Amino acid sequence: DAKTTQPPSMDCAEGRAANLPCNHSTISGNEYVYWYRQIHSQGPQYIIHGLKNNETNEMASLIITEDRKSSTLILPHATLRDTAVYYCIVRGSSGNTGKLIFGQGTTLQVKP
Amino acid sequence: DVKVTQSSRYLVKRTGEKVFLECVQDMDHENMFWYRQDPGLGLRLIYFSYDVKMKEKGDIPEGYSVSREKKERFSLILESASTNQTSMYLCASSFLEYNEQFFGPGTRLTVL
Repeated sequence: DAKTTQPPSMDCAEGRAANLPCNHSTISGNEYVYWYRQIHSQGPQYIIHGLKNNETNEMASLIITEDRKSSTLILPHATLRDTAVYYCIVRGSSGNTGKLIFGQGTTLQVKP
Repeated sequence: DVKVTQSSRYLVKRTGEKVFLECVQDMDHENMFWYRQDPGLGLRLIYFSYDVKMKEKGDIPEGYSVSREKKERFSLILESASTNQTSMYLCASSFLEYNEQFFGPGTRLTVL
């Protein structure tokens, strides 16, 4: 699976959009971009994933650049409960026994 | 909503005790995973199961065993608990091996 790079931390004002970037310049054609988050002392939570088109669900939007070398997770109206570590992962459909490998992630602090 | 539950949120055991951690999912998922998560070491796969009675070792299976007698239930067993098994244990499930994984809340195990 391709390596990802994320900023270690970000702040966001409550009610504003949180835009979390991720670089994955070595992504290959059949690899998906996944986002998870982990609120302190809880299990990780799946947020969204995509291959090349932008995706939106009830939690977030995922914008993937045309060359697929980077992506942005957008939380449209951040709340205090969105404070968490956000992990961007690139995964293919073979190898690594399906296990998830989290990098350092981005710690998002949503402030009142 | 996908629901993955774990038998305990917090557990304290003594060295040498046999410990059972249970995980139940209600989404008829084929695949189930046990990870442990430690500060600085990230998420590490202990075992996974792709079908009833089937299991595969992950990266750190030593000192652990698993049981999957029913599709919805995946148990992690510490045969003889040791202090270096103090950790957060996370169970996850997915429909296909490389699909998104849904996690339980985690069990924080302390071995004294």
